[in-house]
Amino acid sequence: DGGITQSPKYLFRKEGQNVTLSCEQNLNHDAMYWYRQDPGQGLRLIYYSQIVNDFQKGDIAEGYSVSREKKESFPLTVTSAQKNPTAFYLCASGGRGLTGELFFGEGSRLTVL
Amino acid sequence: AQSVTQLDSQVPVFEEAPVELRCNYSSSVSVYLFWYVQYPNQGLQLLLKYLSGSTLVKGINGFEAEFNKSQTSFHLRKPSVHISDTAEYFCAVSRQGGKLIFGQGTELSVKP
Repeated sequence: DGGITQSPKYLFRKEGQNVTLSCEQNLNHDAMYWYRQDPGQGLRLIYYSQIVNDFQKGDIAEGYSVSREKKESFPLTVTSAQKNPTAFYLCASGGRGLTGELFFGEGSRLTVL
Repeated sequence: AQSVTQLDSQVPVFEEAPVELRCNYSSSVSVYLFWYVQYPNQGLQLLLKYLSGSTLVKGINGFEAEFNKSQTSFHLRKPSVHISDTAEYFCAVSRQGGKLIFGQGTELSVKP
């Protein structure tokens, strides 16, 4: 089945450790996105990539890094510089259409102890 | 700049009652409008979308929404809700070639 796979679903880490969240899609979409979700704050855009080997900062990029070496993959690294990393992280992808419609993965919940 | 405002952060309703979740957007150009649903600890699923044409849009699970250009609104409705409709609902807007902008979300709680 076509879709977006995020892993791991749950992740616990100690303060000061970098963590990498995986996002893979087999929808042949050019664009991929990372959002952070906190209670009562909706979805906030961290990074996005519209083509392989290129990506742009979103609204809250500080403390995060990404890469886009393959069309199918867009991993997100939460670095030790991110002051409040505990959150629910959502990956999404979008096709060539210009409507902006996105397709989402199941999410990864990161808890920093 | 575009923005999306969901007017209610929480909407409690009894089972089989009708519900309306309100969404207003601001944009000076034509937009595309979406409603997504999120069940606990899951990603977002598309409920329905307005791209063009008829202003009344029907989606999955019996939901519908009406695009009102003069009031810049895109309210979501369902005539009779079920317990299983309990979830968070997000309104979103984009313009051609642009990014999707989300509202803050509305928690729908259906009580027996």
